Amino acid sequence: GQQLNQSPQSMFIQEGEDVSMNCTSSSIFNTWLWYKQDPGEGPVLLIALYKAGELTSNGRLTAQFGITRKDSFLNISASIPSDVGIYFCAARNYGGSQGNLIFGKGTKLSVKP
Amino acid sequence: GAVVSQHPSRVICKSGTSVKIECRSLDFQATTMFWYRQFPKQSLMLMATSNEGSKATYEQGVEKDKFLINHASLTLSTLTVTSAHPEDSSFYICSARAGGTRGGSTDTQYFGPGTRLTVL
Repeated sequence: GQQLNQSPQSMFIQEGEDVSMNCTSSSIFNTWLWYKQDPGEGPVLLIALYKAGELTSNGRLTAQFGITRKDSFLNISASIPSDVGIYFCAARNYGGSQGNLIFGKGTKLSVKP
Repeated sequence: GAVVSQHPSRVICKSGTSVKIECRSLDFQATTMFWYRQFPKQSLMLMATSNEGSKATYEQGVEKDKFLINHASLTLSTLTVTSAHPEDSSFYICSARAGGTRGGSTDTQYFGPGTRLTVL
């Protein structure tokens, strides 16, 4: 079946550093989404990407929908302690069961003050 | 963004009892809601897709008689874990599809805060 390969699995960084994580797949998707999940909470949508090549920012977060439609990356600039959490990429195609989201395994981010 | 609530946030029950979890879209109508299960340090696993006014679609390996789903209105879906056992203990998360046309180009899923189920 379709799979998303998310990397890295975990990151330990110093406050103020930039962070980059990505998701790749052998399948083509029409939508890429990035979520953040804090412990004991549901995922919160960070950025949604709907067009190949699209580059979208949300504050210190920037994400891009790969031109091949098989990948996406998320960058966080000038990290702060509250960026700690697990980041999931998700992707889907349109319509029917293809419209269901497929999730990556997550990137656990730890930030040292 | 759109708001999705879940109730209860945490429930502890005895083995053999049934537990109902509610998922509500608070500021939008959702023709489609989804139920996920998440084990510790794992990603989300889709259990079923709940469509308003019709039967839910279950993923392979998910028992529909054990996990009953009802999507009675455009803002409410419920998941009932029947005859719960300790192995059903998990974090259950719902999401609701908002925006655009159903399954269309710009709709997005928003997640509830999750329900921690512990079966003793």
